[in-house]
Amino acid sequence: AQKITQTQPGMFVQEKEAVTLDCTYDTSDQSYGLFWYKQPSSGEMIFLIYQGSYDEQNATEGRYSLNFQKARKSANLVISASQLGDSAMYFCAMREGLRGTASKLTFGTGTRLQVTL
Amino acid sequence: NAGVTQTPKFQVLKTGQSMTLQCAQDMNHNSMYWYRQDPGMGLRLIYYSASEGTTDKGEVPNGYNVSRLNKREFSLRLESAAPSQTSVYFCASNPRTESYEQYFGPGTRLTVT
Repeated sequence: AQKITQTQPGMFVQEKEAVTLDCTYDTSDQSYGLFWYKQPSSGEMIFLIYQGSYDEQNATEGRYSLNFQKARKSANLVISASQLGDSAMYFCAMREGLRGTASKLTFGTGTRLQVTL
Repeated sequence: NAGVTQTPKFQVLKTGQSMTLQCAQDMNHNSMYWYRQDPGMGLRLIYYSASEGTTDKGEVPNGYNVSRLNKREFSLRLESAAPSQTSVYFCASNPRTESYEQYFGPGTRLTVT
């Protein structure tokens, strides 16, 4: 069974600083995908970044990067130059299944990030 | 282009009542999903539909039924609501490829008393 672990229930970071949100995963699949989603207080789920298990380069999307360490089964999210608008709940998720199948996601319990002045 | 829409936004039910949550997407996506989010937990998959005409159970299907009415619409039905089904329900969709993210609807907050 797939499992996602986020061990940081809450994090604080000062504006303009970088922050790392931890995510470890467990799967017996060789082919999988890792996602990070942001959930602001308004409740919607916003896709941030994706990393495929066969991707050799770490994924980057603007201020977001994913530190993918396959041997350690970790997929940490790094947010650079934090902004007040980054304050939200962040979820790590993993997709099971191969190409051509539905992309069922397993989510972690989330990390609440608070950006301070 | 509205993306994924869900109705209603809020609902209060009494134990034993039934209701259907509606979800529609206008992105011509093949796959659709229903999740629930409980306090302190991540989202958990209830049911999904890989393509029009197919549905499958997810992690927590008990107490729910689904219908993939057509390619656009995927509904979730609670036949006899229970307080344990108090939750926020999210519908999502994605194209049938491995790397595309799921696009989520705004959610339905359901309270069962």
